[in-house]
Amino acid sequence: AQSVTQPDIHITVSEGASLELRCNYSYGATPYLFWYVQSPGQGLQLLLKYFSGDTLVQGIKGFEAEFKRSQSSFNLRKPSVHWSDAAEYFCAVGAGFGNEKLTFGTGTRLTIIP
Amino acid sequence: IAGITQAPTSQILAAGRRMTLRCTQDMRHNAMYWYRQDLGLGLRLIHYSNTAGTTGKGEVPDGYSVSRANTDDFPLTLASAVPSQTSVYFCASSDAGASYNEQFFGPGTRLTVL
Repeated sequence: AQSVTQPDIHITVSEGASLELRCNYSYGATPYLFWYVQSPGQGLQLLLKYFSGDTLVQGIKGFEAEFKRSQSSFNLRKPSVHWSDAAEYFCAVGAGFGNEKLTFGTGTRLTIIP
Repeated sequence: IAGITQAPTSQILAAGRRMTLRCTQDMRHNAMYWYRQDLGLGLRLIHYSNTAGTTGKGEVPDGYSVSRANTDDFPLTLASAVPSQTSVYFCASSDAGASYNEQFFGPGTRLTVL
């Protein structure tokens, strides 16, 4: 069965600093990987996704993520965070074509300090 | 375009009562999903439907039932609510099959069972 681990429950970053949120997955085949963001009181919005090809994927709001098969990781990065990036971030893994169910990590809450 | 709507926004319910959470999408997506979100546990899949007329069990289906009479609607029913079903419930949909597409989420329903 597939699984996702987000080892950081809460991260605090200064505005303008760089950010990296960690995600490790477990899946026997090529995974389909996603990062979602949830602002307070809102639903989830897709930031970016990886299916195949280039291992560095670009997303919305200036985020990017790198797929590293050897490390079973899909870490999310942003070079300079803004106060509006404060939110909860979820990594998810899917089993692939024909099976659209996603398994989510437990999330990382991001706090931005001035 | 509304995307996915959920009703009610929030509800307080006495234990033992029956409750149906409504979900409607206007994107003509064939697949729909129900998740519950609990602090420290992330999102867990309750039930899903790959196409109208079919449903399947997710990770935490006990105490919940779903139906998919048409493409647009995917109600979630708690036949006899218990306090452990206090949670935030999210409905999602995706255009599954031809390619692995993202899931779109509704705004959520906050349910409290007393």
